[in-house]
Amino acid sequence: AQTVTQSQPEMSVQEAETVTLSCTYDTSESDYYLFWYKQPPSRQMILVIRQEAYKQQNATENRFSVNFQKAAKSFSLKISDSQLGDAAMYFCAYRSGNNDMRFGAGTRLTVKP
Amino acid sequence: DTEVTQTPKHLVMGMTNKKSLKCEQHMGHRAMYWYKQKAKKPPELMFVYSYEKLSINESVPSRFSPECPNSSLLNLHLHALQPEDSALYLCASSRGQGVNTEAFFGQGTRLTVV
Repeated sequence: AQTVTQSQPEMSVQEAETVTLSCTYDTSESDYYLFWYKQPPSRQMILVIRQEAYKQQNATENRFSVNFQKAAKSFSLKISDSQLGDAAMYFCAYRSGNNDMRFGAGTRLTVKP
Repeated sequence: DTEVTQTPKHLVMGMTNKKSLKCEQHMGHRAMYWYKQKAKKPPELMFVYSYEKLSINESVPSRFSPECPNSSLLNLHLHALQPEDSALYLCASSRGQGVNTEAFFGQGTRLTVV
């Protein structure tokens, strides 16, 4: 069974600074995708960034980037130039070919002005 | 239109009531999902529909009954629920079964069972 682990229940960052959220996963699959979703107080899950397991190049979306270490089964999210609107729960997610998506426990990010 | 619309946003029901949660998307997605999310926990997968057929049922109690009337609609029928079923119920959709397809989520229905 695939598992996704986020070891940081809460993180805090000063506005304009950089923060890294950790995620590890366990799988025996070779073809899979990894995602980071953000859930603000509005409750809607919003996709932040995704990474294909076959691609060695780390994905980047504006201020968001990942550090994907396939051998270590690690998928961390770096948020640069943090903004107040980045405050939310962040979930790391794993998806393989059986059409479901599994989430980690989440990290609550606080951004201090 | 990149929205998944869920109704109602809030629902309070008694343990003897029957109610339904509705989810709608017009993105042409062929996979739709129900997740249950308790406070401060991640979403837990309940059901997956692929091409309007139930493909995954994560051992959900029969008091939850999903229905996919067509490719745009997904319902969750509720009957004889327990207080511990109170949670946020999230609907999601994706383009298909491909591993690389991202899921789009609705804003959820906050369900309280009294």
